[in-house]
Amino acid sequence: AQKVTQAQTEISVVEKEDVTLDCVYETRDTTYYLFWYKQPPSGELVFLIRRNSFDEQNEISGRYSWNFQKSTSSFNFTITASQVVDSAVYFCALSEPTSGTYKYIFGTGTRLKVLA
Amino acid sequence: DVKVTQSSRYLVKRTGEKVFLECVQDMDHENMFWYRQDPGLGLRLIYFSYDVKMKEKGDIPEGYSVSREKKERFSLILESASTNQTSMYLCASSLFSGSNRETQYFGPGTRLLVL
Repeated sequence: AQKVTQAQTEISVVEKEDVTLDCVYETRDTTYYLFWYKQPPSGELVFLIRRNSFDEQNEISGRYSWNFQKSTSSFNFTITASQVVDSAVYFCALSEPTSGTYKYIFGTGTRLKVLA
Repeated sequence: DVKVTQSSRYLVKRTGEKVFLECVQDMDHENMFWYRQDPGLGLRLIYFSYDVKMKEKGDIPEGYSVSREKKERFSLILESASTNQTSMYLCASSLFSGSNRETQYFGPGTRLLVL
């Protein structure tokens, strides 16, 4: 069965520290997509990134970067020079086929607290 | 801009009441999803729909039903609310392209408290 594991339940860092959120997945598909979402205290999940299984290039967007390693089935997310506004719950998800369409398998999320 | 709206941000209901949670998207998306989110359990899929009047059970459909009469609207119904349905409910939508690349877009969530 497909599975997404976010082993870190909660992480606390001091502002300006770098922090990495881990995501490990299991799938039998050869083509698949992985996603990261941010859920701030307001509650809405905000899409951050989508990555397909054929593209192992690291992605950087400002202070955010993602490291996709197929060999270890990991898709980790790093925030450089963290800020208080980064405090949120972060979810990793894997897309899998289902009846008529595709659905997500979500990890249980990592709560990040950035302290001033 | 992508927009998914949910009818209420906060809702308080009594045990046994019938509860309707509504979700509307303005992106002409085929797929719509209902999740519940509980601490330590992440997001769990309740029901989804890939077309008007089509509905499929997700991982935890018990105690819930859904309705999709129009493409833009997907309703979640708690026929007889119970205290264990106290949770955060999130609606999402996505385009259908025949591949697994489509991104889901989420509404702001409804925090439901059943007393």
